[in-house]
Amino acid sequence: NAGVTQTPKFQVLKTGQSMTLQCAQDMNHEYMSWYRQDPGMGLRLIHYSVGAGITDQGEVPNGYNVSRSTTEDFPLRLLSAAPSQTSVYFCASSPGTGTSFSNQPQHFGDGTRLSIL
Amino acid sequence: QKEVEQDPGPLSVPEGAIVSLNCTYSNSAFQYFMWYRQYSRKGPELLMYTYSSGNKEDGRFTAQVDKSSKYISLFIRDSQPSDSATYLCAMRSTGGFKTIFGAGTRLFVKA
Repeated sequence: NAGVTQTPKFQVLKTGQSMTLQCAQDMNHEYMSWYRQDPGMGLRLIHYSVGAGITDQGEVPNGYNVSRSTTEDFPLRLLSAAPSQTSVYFCASSPGTGTSFSNQPQHFGDGTRLSIL
Repeated sequence: QKEVEQDPGPLSVPEGAIVSLNCTYSNSAFQYFMWYRQYSRKGPELLMYTYSSGNKEDGRFTAQVDKSSKYISLFIRDSQPSDSATYLCAMRSTGGFKTIFGAGTRLFVKA
């Protein structure tokens, strides 16, 4: 099993450009989420999904869009990149359905390092 | 005030020392408590996972939860240079979808 795979590993964008960060998992996990990690801030939740077709906002959703058309994939879209979105982005997944998500720890990918000039 | 507070360090110890890492939190609804280890340029990996109060031991690692004080700890015995990493505490409430993370503590174990 590959686990959680994120692509690309590194990306440099110019302000105003758009791009999609890819996340795929091969563990048939229902729950997937996107975090950003900034120095001194820990991991902050951007968006999450509890299954195909179902997404919701996290702590810092502004400037990001998500969709979940399959169980395996959960892409994160930056609509118009801003320097404040320079960060390391992590995708995570965990098993569970309904209300049983809370007792399942998450598995993380190795991140996408994004710089916006 | 953040929901979860964690001293960012860095914490530097000699090889073989006992390491104590801690987090405090404000939300009494948190029931699930996790410790993740993150090496440089890697994603967090789960180290310890506990429910409610009490202790849990796994090899050289012990996790403690004191819900009355809203305080959790991770102890590392016989620390090794390979333990040098950032340690993140995380917690979640029952029925909740959102995990709240601490800022992480950077640990250096010197040979």
